[in-house]
This record gives sequence, structure tokens and C-alpha cells, in this order.
Amino acid sequence: ILNVEQSPQSLHVQEGDSTNFTCSFPSSNFYALHWYRWETAKSPEALFVMTLNGDEKKKGRISATLNTKEGYSYLYIKGSQPEDSATYLCAFKYGSSGSARQLTFGSGTQLTVLP
Amino acid sequence: SQTIHQWPATLVQPVGSPLSLECTVEGTSNPNLYWYRQAAGRGLQLLFYSVGIGQISSEVPQNLSASRPQDRQFILSSKKLLLSDSGFYLCAWSGLGRRSFGPGTRLTVT
Repeated sequence: ILNVEQSPQSLHVQEGDSTNFTCSFPSSNFYALHWYRWETAKSPEALFVMTLNGDEKKKGRISATLNTKEGYSYLYIKGSQPEDSATYLCAFKYGSSGSARQLTFGSGTQLTVLP
Repeated sequence: SQTIHQWPATLVQPVGSPLSLECTVEGTSNPNLYWYRQAAGRGLQLLFYSVGIGQISSEVPQNLSASRPQDRQFILSSKKLLLSDSGFYLCAWSGLGRRSFGPGTRLTVT
């Protein structure tokens, strides 16, 4: 059974603060890591797909880094805004691209940005 | 662009009653389709996936079943719901290395 851990489970920050959270995954047989942003009552929105060790991706104020050798990825949000409040999910894919099923999700980090 | 529809959005059902959740996809053909569930306080769990009409793979043994009667239609069913079936059910489509999710169905079994 693959274990994808996200920490912290929940986080409250003040508007304007920068924050980051972690996704840990098995370091063997890595294929890709996905980050999703999931707002209440909406479907998850894909943020990043990361495949290479050392990858760094950025989308506006949100960025992510990847370390496949040690099995972790960080998601950073610079200058948090109330609209950033959501659950951030990471998902780990292992093995080859031929399989349709091998994507395991973490339980998410629930971010609340207080105005 | 691809669009995923799911209905109903919310559902309250008694224990022992049947279930049918429907998902349809627009804007693509022969997609891989998935059913996920998020139970309270837990991550997304893959329930079923399908690579084509009539082809269903089950990831977790349970009292749920899935069917794909048409290329862009995926149905999640149960003959008798359990309390533990409560949760948020998401249908998803995959292609080009990404997954896109439908709006979800909140199921409460009472």
C-alpha cells in the first residue's frame, strides 16, 4: 500500500503571510507528482504536474518544488489571500504511463487565510 | 474543452436503499473514467476506473459497482447502501497526463 502523507493537516494564516506545506511519497519507482487545489463545493483544480527531480513550477503566487530522491514536494504560497483558502491535495503516480489507475492521493492540507 | 457532468449534487438516502450516480463527459472520445470517494477526514480513494465501454476495474472491495454503458457515461451503483458509504463522490476524466474532476455528489446515508 502506497503512503502519501501531507502536513500539516490544516493551517490558518493571516492575509499577506507566506506559507508552505509538504507532501511526502515513496521515493522508489517515481513517475509524477500532481498538486490540486480543491475549494469547498467545487471540483479539484489541477495546479502542477511535476516529473523531474529538482523541478520547480510556478503559477502566480503559488510555486512547488520536487525532490524525488528523498520523496517530498513543497507547495509555497506567497502573500496569502482569502481566496487562497482551500484544500491542497497532492497525488503520487508511480510506475509506467501505461497504467490508468496508479495515482494515490494524500489527505490534503486545509488552508484558511484570515482577512 | 472537456466538461464533466455529475448528478445529483447532493443525496440523502436511508441504509439499505439502492444508489445510482451518473457521470457524463463532453468534448472527448474514449476517455479513461474514474470514480473516487472522499470519506470524512480522509483523502481521495479510487473506487473504479474504466478504459472503455464495458471495461471496469475495481480497486476496493465493497458493496458498490460501476458500469460504462456508453463511451462517455460512467455510472456508480449500489443495491443496498451502508452507513459507511457516506462521503463525497467524484467522477474524473484523464488524458495528457492530467485528471479533471466533475463537480461531485455529496451522499449522506442515514
